[in-house]
Amino acid sequence: AQSVTQPDIHITVSEGASLELRCNYSYGATPYLFWYVQSPGQGLQLLLKYFSGDTLVQGIKGFEAEFKRSQSSFNLRKPSVHWSDAAEYFCAVGGAAGNKLTFGGGTRVLVKP
Amino acid sequence: NAGVTQTPKFRILKIGQSMTLQCTQDMNHNYMYWYRQDPGMGLKLIYYSVGAGITDKGEVPNGYNVSRSTTEDFPLRLELAAPSQTSVYFCASSETGGGSSYEQYFGPGTRLTVT
Repeated sequence: AQSVTQPDIHITVSEGASLELRCNYSYGATPYLFWYVQSPGQGLQLLLKYFSGDTLVQGIKGFEAEFKRSQSSFNLRKPSVHWSDAAEYFCAVGGAAGNKLTFGGGTRVLVKP
Repeated sequence: NAGVTQTPKFRILKIGQSMTLQCTQDMNHNYMYWYRQDPGMGLKLIYYSVGAGITDKGEVPNGYNVSRSTTEDFPLRLELAAPSQTSVYFCASSETGGGSSYEQYFGPGTRLTVT
């Protein structure tokens, strides 16, 4: 069975500082990996996705993520956060045959001025 | 394009009542999904559909029913509401179920409280 773990429930970061959100997955075959962002009261928006190829993936809003197969990780990073990055972030895994995504529990990011 | 729309945005139900959560997408997507989101638990898949007339259970289907008579609409039915169904419900759609075009587009959600 596939699963996703986001070890950090909350992260507080100062505006302008760097941000890294952790994601560990369990999947029996080649995973499709996603990061979504949810602003308060909103639905989920896709930040980036990894299917194959270059293990460093660029997304929207200045985010990037690195796939590390040996560590079963897909961590999300941003070099310099903005106050508008305060949101909840979800990592998800699916498969090539699959239409079903499994989501992690989410990490809530607070940005201090 | 409106994308994925959901109605209502908020609803309070009494135990035992029934209701239908509406979901419509205008992107001509074949795949549609219903999720529930509980605090700290991420999203759990309730039901999904791969096309009109075809539906299947997800991870947490008990207490819910779905139908898919058209490509655009995918309503979720709660027959006998229970407090455990208090949650935020998200509908999503995708063009396909796999491959590089696989991206799910989410609606804004319905916040349901059962008391």
